[in-house]
Amino acid sequence: AQSVTQLDSHVSVSEGTPVLLRCNYSSSYSPSLFWYVQHPNKGLQLLLKYTSAATLVKGINGFEAEFKKSETSFHLTKPSAHMSDAAEYFCVVVGPGNTGKLIFGQGTTLQVKP
Amino acid sequence: KAGVTQTPRYLIKTRGQQVTLSCSPISGHRSVSWYQQTPGQGLQFLFEYFSETQRNKGNFPGRFSGRQFSNSRSEMNVSTLELGDSALYLCASSLEAGPTEAFFGQGTRLTVV
Repeated sequence: AQSVTQLDSHVSVSEGTPVLLRCNYSSSYSPSLFWYVQHPNKGLQLLLKYTSAATLVKGINGFEAEFKKSETSFHLTKPSAHMSDAAEYFCVVVGPGNTGKLIFGQGTTLQVKP
Repeated sequence: KAGVTQTPRYLIKTRGQQVTLSCSPISGHRSVSWYQQTPGQGLQFLFEYFSETQRNKGNFPGRFSGRQFSNSRSEMNVSTLELGDSALYLCASSLEAGPTEAFFGQGTRLTVV
């Protein structure tokens, strides 16, 4: 079955330092993976997607993620955190079969300190 | 291009009542999915609609139902509300059915008292 595990429920960084949000996935076949961000009282915004093309995926706002099949990981990174990056981040895998069902991780809250 | 529109944004209902939430997808998108977000359970899939047909249903009781109209707008209905139904309900639209990126609305915050 498809699943994702976000390894940290809370990450705190200082502004200007790198961000690393970790995600491991489980899938019986080559997965489609996404990272979404949710700011307080807002809906979900797509940051980036992996759909079996390039393993290094670039997204919006300077975020990128690398798909590593050998490690079943899809970690999200950003070289330099900005105060506006403070939000909750979700790693997502598409459900089994030809479906639009998205399976969400439990989320990682990113705190950015000045 | 307008995004996904969900109405109403906030609702307060009493236990036992029923509620209908509405979602208008991005123009041209034909697939609509619904998710429930709670602090305890996180984001859980409710159902997926494409061309007025339900393609997928999550593990929720029959009190949760939905439909999609010919213009791709979708509604979800929850009958006999329980306190545990209090949640943020998110609608997502996609261009086509299947494993593709989804664009989310801001959600409807339902509080059951």
